[in-house]
Amino acid sequence: SQTIHQWPATLVQPVGSPLSLECTVEGTSNPNLYWYRQAAGRGLQLLFYSVGIGQISSEVPQNLSASRPQDRQFILSSKKLLLSDSGFYLCAWRSGTTGNTIYFGEGSWLTVV
Amino acid sequence: AQSVSQHNHHVILSEAASLELGCNYSYGGTVNLFWYVQYPGQHLQLLLKYFSGDPLVKGIKGFEAEFIKSKFSFNLRKPSVQWSDTAEYFCAVIPLSGNTGKLIFGQGTTLQVKP
Repeated sequence: SQTIHQWPATLVQPVGSPLSLECTVEGTSNPNLYWYRQAAGRGLQLLFYSVGIGQISSEVPQNLSASRPQDRQFILSSKKLLLSDSGFYLCAWRSGTTGNTIYFGEGSWLTVV
Repeated sequence: AQSVSQHNHHVILSEAASLELGCNYSYGGTVNLFWYVQYPGQHLQLLLKYFSGDPLVKGIKGFEAEFIKSKFSFNLRKPSVQWSDTAEYFCAVIPLSGNTGKLIFGQGTTLQVKP
């Protein structure tokens, strides 16, 4: 069966420090991968999605970047965190074939102080 | 730009009341449609989904949704809510042009059910 792992679960980082959140999927190949941010009162905002290795689409201009160095690995990064980067970050995956459900990781709470 | 709109941001109901949460999307082509729920302190879970076929889909816990293509809508319904339905509900869409697999969520609706 397929599983998705996301870490770390919680993170407290000072302003200006770097960030790396990692997500891996097991039990499938060539998944579509997603990073979302859930900020209080603002629902789920799509940050990045990827349909293959090295293919990253950014949805909103921001202080973050994403990379997909391997088929089932998706990394969310920042060189210098801002206070506004605080939030709950969710990784998700979906089979590359149409008509399939999206599954979410457990999420990562980031607090920038 | 493609978007998903949930009309109700915060809904308060008494137990046994009927529920309907609105969801509209802006995309002219074929779509996959989803409703997700997030109970307090828990992960996002899939409630139901529509890919093709019967536009009335049934999900878990007595929820159902109807896809009306002409209205670009996918409203969520439940005939009688329970206190345990208190949660945040998200509508989501995947436009199927090309193979982007881009998944777009609405802003979410917070449902509070009073016992």
